[in-house]
Amino acid sequence: GDSVTQMEGPVTLSEEAFLTINCTYTATGYPSLFWYVQYPGEGLQLLLKATKADDKGSNKGFEATYRKETTSFHLEKGSVQVSDSAVYFCALIHTGNQFYFGTGTSLTVIP
Amino acid sequence: DSGVTQTPKHLITATGQRVTLRCSPRSGDLSVYWYQQSLDQGLQFLIHYYNGEERAKGNILERFSAQQFPDLHSELNLSSLELGDSALYFCASSAGPDYGYTFGSGTRLTVV
Repeated sequence: GDSVTQMEGPVTLSEEAFLTINCTYTATGYPSLFWYVQYPGEGLQLLLKATKADDKGSNKGFEATYRKETTSFHLEKGSVQVSDSAVYFCALIHTGNQFYFGTGTSLTVIP
Repeated sequence: DSGVTQTPKHLITATGQRVTLRCSPRSGDLSVYWYQQSLDQGLQFLIHYYNGEERAKGNILERFSAQQFPDLHSELNLSSLELGDSALYFCASSAGPDYGYTFGSGTRLTVV
């Protein structure tokens, strides 16, 4: 069945460091891929998405490229800020309109 | 404000009791999804409704049930509550698979 695997955290970075959170997926066909972010005490917010192979989603300095050959959708940001501290979830949606979420990666950015 | 409204925000209840969580989807969205988020289980998909009909079930216990009403709001009923049911319960709505979900801010349920 469909599934998403993302790197385990927690991840701790200094401000202005480069961020990569790995995400790989298993699905037949061509799912749509998403990154969601959850700030403390809040619900999940859509960060970015890509709906077909080689698409790049971007938002707020974050980027992720849909790589079908490696079944990956890694999240990157060139220079993180303290305000980026949150939990990040990779997700896919395929047939049946059901989302499959990864387990989440907690990011803490220290000044 | 995401447009998805969940009430109540916090709920504290005793074991064995029954509670109802409510969700109003974003205007125009026909799909409503319920998720449970706990520290040890992560995000668990419970159930999906589309325009009043159940479309998919995930890891939803028999003690739990849900429905979506003609005005598209949804309710999640949790009965015979156990300590392990303490979690954040999220509702999300969607306009379609390529648009992603819009999540509500959740209901934090504490069973004591």
